[in-house]
Amino acid sequence: KQEVTQIPAALSVPEGENLVLNCSFTDSAIYNLQWFRQDPGKGLTSLLLIQSSQREQTSGRLNASLDKSSGRSTLYIAASQPGDSATYLCAVLTGGGNKLTFGTGTQLKVEL
Amino acid sequence: DVKVTQSSRYLVKRTGEKVFLECVQDMDHENMFWYRQDPGLGLRLIYFSYDVKMKEKGDIPEGYSVSREKKERFSLILESASTNQTSMYLCASSLYRVKNIQYFGAGTRLSVL
Repeated sequence: KQEVTQIPAALSVPEGENLVLNCSFTDSAIYNLQWFRQDPGKGLTSLLLIQSSQREQTSGRLNASLDKSSGRSTLYIAASQPGDSATYLCAVLTGGGNKLTFGTGTQLKVEL
Repeated sequence: DVKVTQSSRYLVKRTGEKVFLECVQDMDHENMFWYRQDPGLGLRLIYFSYDVKMKEKGDIPEGYSVSREKKERFSLILESASTNQTSMYLCASSLYRVKNIQYFGAGTRLSVL
């Protein structure tokens, strides 16, 4: 059974700092990995999707990497801003290509 | 932009009531999903559907059923609501059956008293 772990569970950083969020998964037979953002009381917004054949994806200040063989992904956020404060979730797609397994998230707070 | 709309943001129901949660997507997506989200447990898949009138159980289908009569609409049904079904419910859709980005609705926070 696929298990996804995110470390740390919570993180507080000053504005402007570069930071890394970690995601690990137990079964490397994945189709893709997706990073989401969730604001309090809201739904999920997809940030980046990395196919299993890719090593990384970039969008603006965000960069996500994937090392499928070791079961790890990182989300790098450059020059963090208070508006980046949210919970970040990673999820891997397995099970015939339509089953997403989520981690429990990293709650990020960027302080002025 | 893909839009996934859940009919209610907040619902309060009584134990034993029949509850319907509705989800509509406007992008002709094949797949639709229902998740529940609980603190410390993350998001867990309840049911999904990859075509009209088709459904498959996810990880925690007990106590729930679903209906997909039209491609754009996917309903989650709690036949007899219980307090342990108090949760945030999230609907999602994706274009094709495999390897696709899932787009999420804003969620419905259900309280069962």
